[in-house]
Amino acid sequence: NAGVTQTPKFRVLKTGQSMTLLCAQDMNHEYMYWYRQDPGMGLRLIHYSVGEGTTAKGEVPDGYNVSRLKKQNFLLGLESAAPSQTSVYFCASTTLKGKGNEQFFGPGTRLTVL
Amino acid sequence: AQSVAQPEDQVNVAEGNPLTVKCTYSVSGNPYLFWYVQYPNRGLQFLLKYITGDNLVKGSYGFEAEFNKSQTSFHLKKPSALVSDSALYFCAVRPPAAYNFNKFYFGSGTKLNVKP
Repeated sequence: NAGVTQTPKFRVLKTGQSMTLLCAQDMNHEYMYWYRQDPGMGLRLIHYSVGEGTTAKGEVPDGYNVSRLKKQNFLLGLESAAPSQTSVYFCASTTLKGKGNEQFFGPGTRLTVL
Repeated sequence: AQSVAQPEDQVNVAEGNPLTVKCTYSVSGNPYLFWYVQYPNRGLQFLLKYITGDNLVKGSYGFEAEFNKSQTSFHLKKPSALVSDSALYFCAVRPPAAYNFNKFYFGSGTKLNVKP
């Protein structure tokens, strides 16, 4: 089991460029999440998905779009990157089977927007 | 509004001494409670969780946490700290099914420094 993987690990963008971050999980989890982590601010939820073909906004969705075409993949897109989107991005997944299941996190993508 | 508070940005403790990292929450219903650890340049790793039952739960690496319903707290503890415990610790809460249990709410994190 690879768990949760994220691609790429690092990326540098110029303002206005676009990119897509890929999250993949091999645990057959229904729920997937995208967070950003900034110093002193903990984790902030960007978007999440409760199943294939469904997505919902989190706490800080502006400037991001997501898609969940396959159950195992959750894509995060930046259409026009801004310096304020410089951050570390984490993907997580969990299952609704059973009670109180924890999230499993990927290793993160460090994004710098110049 | 749902919220999780970790009142200390940083906790310093000497190796071999007990440690406590504090967490309080304001969440509807009887939530599920979690602790995660993050080492530098890594993702979050699950440590332990409280679902129901005994208020003291044991987790990985000798960590335990005490749930206190009346104080809405879930403090992380370890009887004897190791230098290798130095990391960033996050408390998280997941509301029960009746209260939008799709989301997890995270504290801002507490940096634990264990000195030799």
